[in-house]
Amino acid sequence: SAVISQKPSRDICQRGTSLTIQCQVDSQVTMMFWYRQQPGQSLTLIATANQGSEATYESGFVIDKFPISRPNLTFSTLTVSNMSPEDSSIYLCSADPGQGATRGLDTQYFGPGTRLTVL
Amino acid sequence: GENVEQHPSTLSVQEGDSAVIKCTYSDSASNYFPWYKQELGKGPQLIIDIRSNVGEKKDQRIAVTLNKTAKHFSLHITETQPEDSAVYFCAASYQAGTALIFGKGTTLSVSS
Repeated sequence: SAVISQKPSRDICQRGTSLTIQCQVDSQVTMMFWYRQQPGQSLTLIATANQGSEATYESGFVIDKFPISRPNLTFSTLTVSNMSPEDSSIYLCSADPGQGATRGLDTQYFGPGTRLTVL
Repeated sequence: GENVEQHPSTLSVQEGDSAVIKCTYSDSASNYFPWYKQELGKGPQLIIDIRSNVGEKKDQRIAVTLNKTAKHFSLHITETQPEDSAVYFCAASYQAGTALIFGKGTTLSVSS
């Protein structure tokens, strides 16, 4: 399994500003994922972040708006840039702790989420 | 791409009753189907998962069934308790460790 923490847990931001969300995993993981969950809605994948390569973004999400860093095997950041009220959501990171021969044998574990409100 | 449909969107049961949530998926290549429970203000927590080489899996009061031919899978909760009240999400992926496609969620309310 994996224990995932996120910072900040919540924030209220002004329109036009940017917020960087940090995600820390308690073990080395190959793949990390960022999801968005709008109020009362399901989870939508923003991007997949592998260490040592550029993040892969899903349709509707672009790097200029949601730049992602993955500097090592236990950490990732997601920045929400030039925010508008429509960006108010819960942002969740997840990780698959499987590596090498164990990849695909475990599952994705989620962090507690970052609750973002943009005024 | 994969699409996951989940029903019902809300479910209310009496304590002790059973609850069943159903999901269908579109991509026959999907092989991994987890279920997550999300309580208010928290991240999703895995409660059970099933892989395509298994038709049923059980863990105490929770069971999941998978019908690959019909491309649907279901979550069964027996002897429900008030603490089972939460939003439940089904998901599908090519394999564990790849990006998950989620259903829209089911809000389960268990009244005592």
